[in-house]
Amino acid sequence: GAVVSQHPSWVICKSGTSVKIECRSLDFQATTMFWYRQFPKQSLMLMATSNEGSKATYEQGVEKDKFLINHASLTLSTLTVTSAHPEDSSFYICSARDLGGLGYTFGSGTRLTVV
Amino acid sequence: KQEVTQIPAALSVPEGENLVLNCSFTDSAIYNLQWFRQDPGKGLTSLLLIQSSQREQTSGRLNASLDKSSGRSTLYIAASQPGDSATYLCAVPYAGGTSYGKLTFGQGTILTVHP
Repeated sequence: GAVVSQHPSWVICKSGTSVKIECRSLDFQATTMFWYRQFPKQSLMLMATSNEGSKATYEQGVEKDKFLINHASLTLSTLTVTSAHPEDSSFYICSARDLGGLGYTFGSGTRLTVV
Repeated sequence: KQEVTQIPAALSVPEGENLVLNCSFTDSAIYNLQWFRQDPGKGLTSLLLIQSSQREQTSGRLNASLDKSSGRSTLYIAASQPGDSATYLCAVPYAGGTSYGKLTFGQGTILTVHP
Protein backbone atom coordinates (compact mmCIF):
# COMPACT_ATOMS: atom_id res chain seq x y z
CA GLY A 1 0.00 0.00 0.00
CA ALA A 2 0.87 3.66 -0.16
CA VAL A 3 3.50 4.79 2.31
CA VAL A 4 4.32 8.33 3.40
CA SER A 5 7.57 8.83 5.27
CA GLN A 6 7.95 11.84 7.52
CA HIS A 7 11.19 13.05 9.15
CA PRO A 8 12.25 13.83 11.72
CA SER A 9 9.89 12.12 14.15
CA TRP A 10 10.81 14.61 16.83
CA VAL A 11 12.91 17.73 17.10
CA ILE A 12 13.84 20.21 19.79
CA CYS A 13 15.01 23.64 18.74
CA LYS A 14 15.75 26.99 20.28
CA SER A 15 13.49 29.99 19.89
CA GLY A 16 14.32 31.98 16.80
CA THR A 17 15.72 29.12 14.79
CA SER A 18 14.12 27.39 11.82
CA VAL A 19 13.15 23.75 11.52
CA LYS A 20 12.51 21.76 8.36
CA ILE A 21 10.19 18.75 8.25
CA GLU A 22 10.20 16.41 5.26
CA CYS A 23 7.35 14.37 3.88
CA ARG A 24 8.03 11.78 1.19
CA SER A 25 5.73 9.49 -0.73
CA LEU A 26 7.74 6.30 -1.04
CA ASP A 27 5.93 4.20 -3.61
CA PHE A 28 3.70 6.64 -5.44
CA GLN A 29 3.75 10.13 -6.84
CA ALA A 30 1.86 12.78 -4.97
CA THR A 31 1.16 16.00 -6.81
CA THR A 32 -0.63 17.21 -3.73
CA MET A 33 0.29 16.80 -0.10
CA PHE A 34 -1.32 18.20 3.00
CA TRP A 35 0.09 19.52 6.24
CA TYR A 36 -1.85 19.25 9.49
CA ARG A 37 -1.19 20.43 12.98
CA GLN A 38 -2.40 18.73 16.13
CA PHE A 39 -2.40 20.18 19.61
CA PRO A 40 -2.43 17.86 22.64
CA LYS A 41 -5.70 16.02 23.03
CA GLN A 42 -7.18 17.80 20.04
CA SER A 43 -7.96 16.75 16.53
CA LEU A 44 -6.06 17.57 13.36
CA MET A 45 -6.33 20.98 11.76
CA LEU A 46 -5.38 21.46 8.14
CA MET A 47 -2.68 24.07 7.73
CA ALA A 48 -1.98 24.07 4.01
CA THR A 49 -2.15 22.18 0.76
CA SER A 50 1.18 21.62 -0.92
CA ASN A 51 1.12 21.57 -4.72
CA GLU A 52 4.01 20.22 -6.76
CA GLY A 53 5.57 22.94 -8.87
CA SER A 54 3.38 25.75 -7.59
CA LYS A 55 2.65 27.74 -4.48
CA ALA A 56 1.04 26.16 -1.48
CA THR A 57 -2.49 27.05 -0.50
CA TYR A 58 -2.82 28.07 3.13
CA GLU A 59 -5.88 27.80 5.31
CA GLN A 60 -7.31 30.88 6.90
CA GLY A 61 -5.31 32.02 9.88
CA VAL A 62 -2.11 30.19 8.95
CA GLU A 63 0.88 32.48 8.42
CA LYS A 64 2.50 31.55 5.13
CA ASP A 65 5.69 33.43 5.99
CA LYS A 66 6.10 31.44 9.18
CA PHE A 67 5.23 28.05 7.73
CA LEU A 68 7.09 27.80 4.44
CA ILE A 69 6.07 24.94 2.22
CA ASN A 70 8.05 23.67 -0.75
CA HIS A 71 6.92 20.87 -3.06
CA ALA A 72 9.79 20.59 -5.50
CA SER A 73 9.19 17.06 -6.72
CA LEU A 74 6.38 14.55 -7.06
CA THR A 75 7.55 12.69 -3.98
CA LEU A 76 8.76 15.35 -1.56
CA SER A 77 7.14 18.20 0.31
CA THR A 78 8.83 20.15 3.07
CA LEU A 79 7.45 22.34 5.83
CA THR A 80 9.83 24.86 7.36
CA VAL A 81 8.84 26.52 10.60
CA THR A 82 10.73 29.81 10.53
CA SER A 83 11.79 31.82 13.56
CA ALA A 84 10.18 29.25 15.80
CA HIS A 85 8.59 30.25 19.08
CA PRO A 86 7.36 28.09 21.96
CA GLU A 87 3.78 28.49 20.76
CA ASP A 88 4.78 26.69 17.55
CA SER A 89 5.42 23.57 19.61
CA SER A 90 3.01 20.98 18.32
CA PHE A 91 2.61 17.74 16.43
CA TYR A 92 2.81 18.19 12.66
CA ILE A 93 1.54 15.51 10.27
CA CYS A 94 1.62 15.33 6.50
CA SER A 95 -0.58 13.30 4.22
CA ALA A 96 -1.03 12.47 0.59
CA ARG A 97 -3.90 11.16 -1.41
CA ASP A 98 -3.48 7.63 -2.60
CA LEU A 99 -4.34 7.79 -6.29
CA GLY A 100 -5.38 4.17 -6.13
CA GLY A 101 -8.52 5.37 -4.44
CA LEU A 102 -7.65 3.96 -1.06
CA GLY A 103 -8.08 7.28 0.66
CA TYR A 104 -5.42 9.34 2.31
CA THR A 105 -2.16 8.13 3.76
CA PHE A 106 -0.51 9.91 6.64
CA GLY A 107 3.06 10.24 7.77
CA SER A 108 4.09 9.25 11.26
CA GLY A 109 4.18 12.84 12.45
CA THR A 110 6.82 15.19 13.86
CA ARG A 111 6.81 16.35 17.45
CA LEU A 112 8.28 19.87 17.52
CA THR A 113 9.33 21.38 20.81
CA VAL A 114 10.62 24.93 20.83
CA VAL A 115 12.51 25.94 23.96
CA LYS B 1 -18.61 24.66 6.69
CA GLN B 2 -18.38 20.96 7.36
CA GLU B 3 -18.43 19.96 11.00
CA VAL B 4 -17.67 16.48 12.25
CA THR B 5 -18.66 15.25 15.69
CA GLN B 6 -17.68 12.02 17.37
CA ILE B 7 -19.45 10.40 20.27
CA PRO B 8 -18.43 9.31 22.82
CA ALA B 9 -15.29 11.34 23.51
CA ALA B 10 -13.89 8.49 25.55
CA LEU B 11 -14.81 4.89 26.11
CA SER B 12 -13.44 2.30 28.50
CA VAL B 13 -14.51 -1.32 28.14
CA PRO B 14 -13.39 -4.74 29.32
CA GLU B 15 -11.72 -7.02 26.85
CA GLY B 16 -14.07 -9.02 24.66
CA GLU B 17 -16.87 -6.48 24.41
CA ASN B 18 -18.37 -5.40 21.13
CA LEU B 19 -18.52 -1.64 20.80
CA VAL B 20 -19.76 1.13 18.54
CA LEU B 21 -18.16 4.48 17.84
CA ASN B 22 -20.27 7.21 16.30
CA CYS B 23 -19.44 9.94 13.82
CA SER B 24 -21.81 12.59 12.46
CA PHE B 25 -21.24 15.27 9.84
CA THR B 26 -23.28 18.33 8.94
CA ASP B 27 -22.95 18.40 5.16
CA SER B 28 -24.06 15.17 3.52
CA ALA B 29 -22.48 16.04 0.15
CA ILE B 30 -19.41 13.95 0.81
CA TYR B 31 -17.44 11.76 -1.56
CA ASN B 32 -16.25 9.37 1.11
CA LEU B 33 -15.62 8.95 4.80
CA GLN B 34 -12.53 7.49 6.36
CA TRP B 35 -11.85 6.04 9.78
CA PHE B 36 -8.36 6.28 11.26
CA ARG B 37 -6.59 5.03 14.31
CA GLN B 38 -3.98 7.09 16.15
CA ASP B 39 -1.72 5.72 18.85
CA PRO B 40 -0.24 8.23 21.34
CA GLY B 41 2.45 10.37 19.74
CA LYS B 42 2.07 8.63 16.40
CA GLY B 43 0.64 9.35 13.00
CA LEU B 44 -2.63 8.10 11.62
CA THR B 45 -3.32 4.61 10.36
CA SER B 46 -6.18 4.23 7.92
CA LEU B 47 -8.70 1.62 9.00
CA LEU B 48 -11.55 1.83 6.56
CA LEU B 49 -12.61 4.02 3.67
CA ILE B 50 -16.25 4.13 2.63
CA GLN B 51 -17.15 5.65 -0.70
CA SER B 52 -20.35 7.68 -0.87
CA SER B 53 -22.02 4.95 -2.92
CA GLN B 54 -21.33 2.30 -0.30
CA ARG B 55 -23.25 1.49 2.84
CA GLU B 56 -20.53 -0.33 4.73
CA GLN B 57 -17.01 -1.68 4.70
CA THR B 58 -15.49 -4.51 6.69
CA SER B 59 -11.94 -5.37 7.65
CA GLY B 60 -11.40 -8.17 10.11
CA ARG B 61 -13.13 -7.26 13.37
CA LEU B 62 -13.97 -3.79 12.12
CA ASN B 63 -17.12 -2.78 10.33
CA ALA B 64 -17.95 0.76 9.31
CA SER B 65 -21.32 1.90 8.04
CA LEU B 66 -22.32 5.10 6.28
CA ASP B 67 -25.71 6.78 6.07
CA LYS B 68 -25.18 9.89 3.97
CA SER B 69 -28.73 11.14 4.18
CA SER B 70 -28.65 11.29 7.95
CA GLY B 71 -25.01 12.40 8.10
CA ARG B 72 -23.85 9.49 10.20
CA SER B 73 -21.25 6.78 10.27
CA THR B 74 -20.53 4.12 12.85
CA LEU B 75 -17.45 2.03 13.49
CA TYR B 76 -18.21 -1.32 15.01
CA ILE B 77 -15.40 -3.21 16.75
CA ALA B 78 -16.09 -6.82 17.56
CA ALA B 79 -14.48 -8.74 20.41
CA SER B 80 -12.34 -5.84 21.54
CA GLN B 81 -8.74 -6.43 22.64
CA PRO B 82 -6.29 -4.37 24.71
CA GLY B 83 -4.35 -3.74 21.51
CA ASP B 84 -7.36 -1.86 20.16
CA SER B 85 -6.72 0.89 22.70
CA ALA B 86 -6.10 4.10 20.74
CA THR B 87 -7.83 7.23 19.53
CA TYR B 88 -10.23 6.67 16.65
CA LEU B 89 -10.86 9.51 14.23
CA CYS B 90 -13.33 9.86 11.43
CA ALA B 91 -12.76 12.31 8.60
CA VAL B 92 -14.61 13.59 5.56
CA PRO B 93 -13.49 15.78 2.67
CA TYR B 94 -14.21 19.50 2.93
CA ALA B 95 -17.82 20.33 2.17
CA GLY B 96 -18.49 21.29 -1.41
CA GLY B 97 -15.10 20.19 -2.62
CA THR B 98 -13.81 17.20 -4.51
CA SER B 99 -11.81 14.48 -2.87
CA TYR B 100 -8.51 16.30 -3.06
CA GLY B 101 -7.52 15.35 0.43
CA LYS B 102 -8.57 18.35 2.46
CA LEU B 103 -10.11 16.52 5.33
CA THR B 104 -12.21 17.65 8.23
CA PHE B 105 -11.66 15.52 11.31
CA GLY B 106 -13.81 14.76 14.28
CA GLN B 107 -12.40 15.25 17.75
CA GLY B 108 -11.85 11.54 18.13
CA THR B 109 -12.91 8.82 20.53
CA ILE B 110 -10.30 7.66 23.02
CA LEU B 111 -10.79 3.95 23.45
CA THR B 112 -9.33 1.97 26.34
CA VAL B 113 -9.77 -1.78 26.43
CA HIS B 114 -8.67 -3.25 29.72
CA PRO B 115 -7.80 -6.90 30.29
